[in-house]
Amino acid sequence: AQKITQTQPGMFVQEKEAVTLDCTYDTSDQSYGLFWYKQPSSGEMIFLIYQGSYDEQNATEGRYSLNFQKARKSANLVISASQLGDSAMYFCAMRERQGGGGNKLTFGTGTQLKVEL
Amino acid sequence: SQTIHQWPATLVQPVGSPLSLECTVEGTSNPNLYWYRQAAGRGLQLLFYSVGIGQISSEVPQNLSASRPQDRQFILSSKKLLLSDSGFYLCAWSVQAGGLRAYEQYFGPGTRLTVT
Repeated sequence: AQKITQTQPGMFVQEKEAVTLDCTYDTSDQSYGLFWYKQPSSGEMIFLIYQGSYDEQNATEGRYSLNFQKARKSANLVISASQLGDSAMYFCAMRERQGGGGNKLTFGTGTQLKVEL
Repeated sequence: SQTIHQWPATLVQPVGSPLSLECTVEGTSNPNLYWYRQAAGRGLQLLFYSVGIGQISSEVPQNLSASRPQDRQFILSSKKLLLSDSGFYLCAWSVQAGGLRAYEQYFGPGTRLTVT
């Protein structure tokens, strides 16, 4: 079974600084995908970034980048130039393919990020 | 563009009462649909997914059920709610396998359910 581990329940970062949110995973699949989602206090889940297991380069989306280390089974999220609006819960998730084409996401327990002035 | 709707946004129900949460998707056809539950301070747990009308797969045993009466409509139900059913329920959709962005799931705004 797949498992996602986020060991940082809470993180603080100064505005304009970079922050790394940790995520490690466990799977026996060769083909998988890793995601990061942001959940502000409103509750909606906002897709941030995706990394495929066969992607050779680390994914980047604006101020978000994913530090993918396949051998270590880690997929850390790096947020550069933090903004107050980045304060939210961040979830790491892994995709496994299901029968009939569905894609199941397994989520970690999340990291609460607080950006301070 | 695609949008996903959920209602109601907030619901308070007594133990033993029935439940019906609705999710609809606009702007896409034949999506995969998902129901997740998030307990307070926890990650998301997949409850059901559907790859087509009338096709429902359950991930965890529980007193909840799901139905997909139309291509873009996904309903979560219960005949008798338990206290442990309290949580934040999120509906999500993704394109069918083989699409360019089949790996992304897009979430609705969620329904916050409190069972008293």
